[in-house]
Amino acid sequence: DQQVKQNSPSLSVQEGRISILNCDYTNSMFDYFLWYKKYPAEGPTFLISISSIKDKNEDGRFTVFLNKSAKHLSLHIVPSQPGDSAVYFCAASNDYKLSFGAGTTVTVRA
Amino acid sequence: DVKVTQSSRYLVKRTGEKVFLECVQDMDHENMFWYRQDPGLGLRLIYFSYDVKMKEKGDIPEGYSVSREKKERFSLILESASTNQTSMYLCASSSPGQGYSPLHFGNGTRLTVT
Repeated sequence: DQQVKQNSPSLSVQEGRISILNCDYTNSMFDYFLWYKKYPAEGPTFLISISSIKDKNEDGRFTVFLNKSAKHLSLHIVPSQPGDSAVYFCAASNDYKLSFGAGTTVTVRA
Repeated sequence: DVKVTQSSRYLVKRTGEKVFLECVQDMDHENMFWYRQDPGLGLRLIYFSYDVKMKEKGDIPEGYSVSREKKERFSLILESASTNQTSMYLCASSSPGQGYSPLHFGNGTRLTVT
């Protein structure tokens, strides 16, 4: 049973607009959340993270929001660029193991 | 920069063969992991190791075993490959410390079992 769910398998967005990726989790013991980005034929690379004691973390064009009561987090990419086209995985942890979502494929249109 | 190297990018094996997937990391990380990635399922943890000769089962260990004789090397073994083990296999490493240390992944091995 997947504890981390990304219900949108794909997202298409125009260059310059905002991309919003969503993720839900079921395990209330998770205390750290991460987003990974994956290009074809490469391994996932770490993008941004947030601890459960925070509700927002920002790094350049990327912002992650955490709503603990709803067990929901989201990743905002503003503005979206063609190089952002990739698969994005949400992940959660309560120790050094990670549980991953199924991924969302983002396509940024020129 | 952390480098996690998986020995093969592509492998094709026959049903029943014994398969070894090798992974080496160069950052002296204590923790190493094997995941498989399948469409619609994301990444699922097969086994992990937090020290030399130590191993723990992940979420889907059936049909797999692992070996960690040296700190930098973590091997995944398919004792008797089956077609449902056709997948992308990803190795990762991390270092325990204060707070959470993100995983660093290799580029993956795409295994096809025929």
